[in-house]
Amino acid sequence: EVQLVESGGGLVQPGGSLRLSCAASGFTFSDHYMDWVRQAPGKGLEWVGRTRNKANSYTTEYAASVKGRFTISRDDSKNSLYLQMNSLKTEDTAVYYCARDLGAFDIWGQGTMVTVSS
Amino acid sequence: AIQLTQSPSSLSASVGDRVTITCRASQGISSALAWYQQKPGKAPKLLIYDASSLESGVPSRFSGSGSGTDFTLTISSLQPEDFATYYCQQLDTFGGGTKVEIK
Repeated sequence: EVQLVESGGGLVQPGGSLRLSCAASGFTFSDHYMDWVRQAPGKGLEWVGRTRNKANSYTTEYAASVKGRFTISRDDSKNSLYLQMNSLKTEDTAVYYCARDLGAFDIWGQGTMVTVSS
Repeated sequence: AIQLTQSPSSLSASVGDRVTITCRASQGISSALAWYQQKPGKAPKLLIYDASSLESGVPSRFSGSGSGTDFTLTISSLQPEDFATYYCQQLDTFGGGTKVEIK
């Protein structure tokens, strides 16, 4: 079964850090671009960033709202995607989804909640 | 950066109705547009890619059209399970969403 499973969410204080993980199964993870998308409570979807595959040098891109604070990485040997979030702000509170990127996002994880609050 | 404007932001419709949702891009994006359905507490689900291609397993009552700057998602006969929020997307940009509610 093709699947993405996120983990690592939780409650963190403003200025803190958190690392999210996304475990992939059922497809050749290393072939694909992978993205993070978030959704603040009661709000719409917001793209966070992307990592390309090895053939495209694992290059990354980020939304302006997280650039310089968030880092996306991947470990193809573990079929895993990561999101390192530093200097967290209250406005980063959201459900974070990982998604397979074919231009369209055809596979999504179930999401993991990140709450930034004192 | 490209902006995607969806209209309406919400609508009320009855089972069996034909529903049309529009997504307008701030500049031409050829046919590189996708549509998603999201139900409360769930991840989005891909319905349409490349503006008009139906994702595998998605009912044929869903269809997409358009190119350039104007795109449309149509549900030909609304079913109870279709009440949800719908989003358009192109690369790193999502539309604001359209909530389809029961009339």
